[in-house]
Amino acid sequence: DAGVTQSPTHLIKTRGQHVTLRCSPISGHKSVSWYQQVLGQGPQFIFQYYEKEERGRGNFPDRFSARQFPNYSSELNVNALLLGDSALYLCASSLLGAVDGYTFGSGTRLTVV
Amino acid sequence: DQQVKQNSPSLSVQEGRISILNCDYTNSMFDYFLWYKKYPAEGPTFLISISSIKDKNEDGRFTVFLNKSAKHLSLHIVPSQPGDSAVYFCAAKGMKTSYDKVIFGPGTSLSVIP
Repeated sequence: DAGVTQSPTHLIKTRGQHVTLRCSPISGHKSVSWYQQVLGQGPQFIFQYYEKEERGRGNFPDRFSARQFPNYSSELNVNALLLGDSALYLCASSLLGAVDGYTFGSGTRLTVV
Repeated sequence: DQQVKQNSPSLSVQEGRISILNCDYTNSMFDYFLWYKKYPAEGPTFLISISSIKDKNEDGRFTVFLNKSAKHLSLHIVPSQPGDSAVYFCAAKGMKTSYDKVIFGPGTSLSVIP
């Protein structure tokens, strides 16, 4: 079975631009969560989606948005990119409430110049 | 405000010896704790977890201990192997919320020396 897949793996954008990151969850998982990992820190919760609805949102500005599609894949959108948005963006899928947490993808490395 | 703390950024251990990674938390609403391991260029992978109603959980070479009164947990790896060299994240969640928000610590980089 395929794990959580994310695309692209690496991305370079200019300040002020917009970016879309994509994620496909493990088959059967209906929940997708997005995390941002800045160098030297642990992953920070951005969003959780379940059955195409936003279930939770972390402390991120409105420039960050996401959606989930009928096939449970998800997109994370970031508008008006700032240098500080440079990070590894991780997608994780799960069975909602699963006690063993998430299965993460390998992430998208976003560099804003 | 960091709710999950890992005060040791790095740790070096000789192969075959015990590795002890420590974690402290501040939020008493957390009732489930997890450890993840991360290799470079990969996403974190789930390692072991413990519910707040327990004080110990063991899985092979990995054991997690929870001291609720001290708001402290630790991960023991015995014996340590070179393949265990990775960044280890301590994480916590509250099971009573309507969504899964896992709070991660900053991580401890473990190096196991052959």
